[in-house]
Amino acid sequence: KAGVTQTPRYLIKTRGQQVTLSCSPISGHRSVSWYQQTPGQGLQFLFEYFSETQRNKGNFPGRFSGRQFSNSRSEMNVSTLELGDSALYLCASSLAGYEKLFFGSGTQLSVL
Amino acid sequence: AQTVTQSQPEMSVQEAETVTLSCTYDTSESDYYLFWYKQPPSRQMILVIRQEAYKQQNATENRFSVNFQKAAKSFSLKISDSQLGDAAMYFCAYRESNPGGGGADGLTFGKGTHLIIQP
Repeated sequence: KAGVTQTPRYLIKTRGQQVTLSCSPISGHRSVSWYQQTPGQGLQFLFEYFSETQRNKGNFPGRFSGRQFSNSRSEMNVSTLELGDSALYLCASSLAGYEKLFFGSGTQLSVL
Repeated sequence: AQTVTQSQPEMSVQEAETVTLSCTYDTSESDYYLFWYKQPPSRQMILVIRQEAYKQQNATENRFSVNFQKAAKSFSLKISDSQLGDAAMYFCAYRESNPGGGGADGLTFGKGTHLIIQP
């Protein structure tokens, strides 16, 4: 069974631009959640999607948004990028959201 | 809000020895999950072990075991017979349980412990 796939692995953007990150969950998993990892703040929860609906959202500004498609694939969008958005963005999937989460290798976003 | 504290930023152990990583958490809930995740240089988070709060028995996975003390809100990870491949960042994480199925918050992570294995 293929694992969680995140694309792209690396991204370089400039301030003010927007970016879209993609996550393909493990086959059969309906829950996808996103996390931001930075050296200063550590790992922080962004949001979780289940069956195309956002179930929970962390404490991030509205510039961070996401969606989930009918095949459970998810995208995360960050608009008007700021330098502080530079981070590793991790996606995780699970069957229904309450049990073991399986993580992808992440997308490293650098904002210049 | 829940908080997870890992008081050891870095630990070092000789290969084949045993090491214990500490984690404490704060919550007012009685039903929740606790996890240890490992993040090697590849940056992929790998689940090491999971503990349900309602279970008194400590979880074990091969060389990995936990000491779960619910009253003390402590959840330490013991790694026996340490191997070079165990070198990584280890994160303790907490998640509320929601048997009603109405939704769940994400994982709350500690800051991590960098584990070094000395050959």
